[in-house]
Amino acid sequence: GAGVSQSPSNKVTEKGKDVELRCDPISGHTALYWYRQSLGQGLEFLIYFQGNSAPDKSGLPSDRFSAERTGGSVSTLTIQRTQQEDSAVYLCASSFGEQQPQHFGDGTRLSIL
Amino acid sequence: EDQVTQSPEALRLQEGESSSLNCSYTVSGLRGLFWYRQDPGKGPEFLFTLYSAGEEKEKERLKATLTKKESFLHITAPKPEDSATYLCAARSGFQKLVFGTGTRLLVSP
Repeated sequence: GAGVSQSPSNKVTEKGKDVELRCDPISGHTALYWYRQSLGQGLEFLIYFQGNSAPDKSGLPSDRFSAERTGGSVSTLTIQRTQQEDSAVYLCASSFGEQQPQHFGDGTRLSIL
Repeated sequence: EDQVTQSPEALRLQEGESSSLNCSYTVSGLRGLFWYRQDPGKGPEFLFTLYSAGEEKEKERLKATLTKKESFLHITAPKPEDSATYLCAARSGFQKLVFGTGTRLLVSP
């Protein structure tokens, strides 16, 4: 079956621009997660959705970062006024329930010039 | 603060040379220790979940074990296709995973 789908796979933008990253979870998965992976760093948790609500936003690094999920399915992560330190791979994961393993997409590689 | 540390950072093996990767964790109330495999340019691929000390899981040439402070990923008679970065992650009270920085494994023919 289809896995977690993320788009775009690559994004290059200028400092100060806004970007939107999209995640399509595995069908039927109620939990959705966003992580960030920087070069040489471990995956860093950003936000968790259960259905359309976000019980844990503790990992969002600043108020320039926001995320939403609609219809209990697709999620978008928005970064406003991008900075060079936002350059990273943004990974989305979903799971069938909160106690089940998380399955990852291949990420969006974001480069800020 | 929850923390996961993996060692070694990198490991080079000859085909057929067995070894182990280490994952040390400090989390309050462990609710799962996860192993993932990540190939270049790809997202992490789920391998195993372990929940309690003494538990073991196996898949082909890989076996994961768990103690109260560590987890090990044992690789028996590895093949070149086992080359990848292996990530360990721990889950505590909330749903997020805390990841280590991974072990880059290279298996030479």
